[in-house]
Amino acid sequence: DAGVIQSPRHEVTEMGQEVTLRCKPISGHNSLFWYRQTMMRGLELLIYFNNNVPIDDSGMPEDRFSAKMPNASFSTLKIQPSEPRDSAVYFCASSFWGFGEKLFFGSGTQLSVL
Amino acid sequence: AQKVTQAQTEISVVEKEDVTLDCVYETRDTTYYLFWYKQPPSGELVFLIRRNSFDEQNEISGRYSWNFQKSTSSFNFTITASQVVDSAVYFCAHGSGSARQLTFGSGTQLTVLP
Repeated sequence: DAGVIQSPRHEVTEMGQEVTLRCKPISGHNSLFWYRQTMMRGLELLIYFNNNVPIDDSGMPEDRFSAKMPNASFSTLKIQPSEPRDSAVYFCASSFWGFGEKLFFGSGTQLSVL
Repeated sequence: AQKVTQAQTEISVVEKEDVTLDCVYETRDTTYYLFWYKQPPSGELVFLIRRNSFDEQNEISGRYSWNFQKSTSSFNFTITASQVVDSAVYFCAHGSGSARQLTFGSGTQLTVLP
């Protein structure tokens, strides 16, 4: 079975450019999470969805970040405009909706903003 | 708010040694879950184990064992007879009963030397 699929694996862009990260959750999962990993701050939850509806976006650092989930099989995380401090590994994870459900993570997108 | 502390930043052991990774958590929830995830050099996060707050029974699975103690708010992880392939970053995480996201610790880099 396919796991969580993220694209691209690596993204290098210049400051000010728009960046779009993509995620396909595991089929049947109804919760989707976006995390960011940096050396300084570790793993931080940015936003999560249940049944395609954003539930908590309090972790989104600022208005430059936006996330959408137009259907159960696709989500995007967009940064516009990007800044060097956005450089990080961005993970998407999915799960069933329920207390204690384990998260299944994608391989991550390594973003470098020059 | 929940907090997960992994005081050990890095640990190095020689192959076949036993190693214990410490995790201490803070929570106001009466019901919660605790998790361990592994992040090998390839980068993806892999689920290892989940424990709920009502189940303090410790578990052994092959070379892995877990020690959950509510009295000390600890959820430690032991690898017996470590192998080079165990080299990875290990994350402890708390799943709140009142929300669905996981709060991760800062991780422990385990290096197993041949």
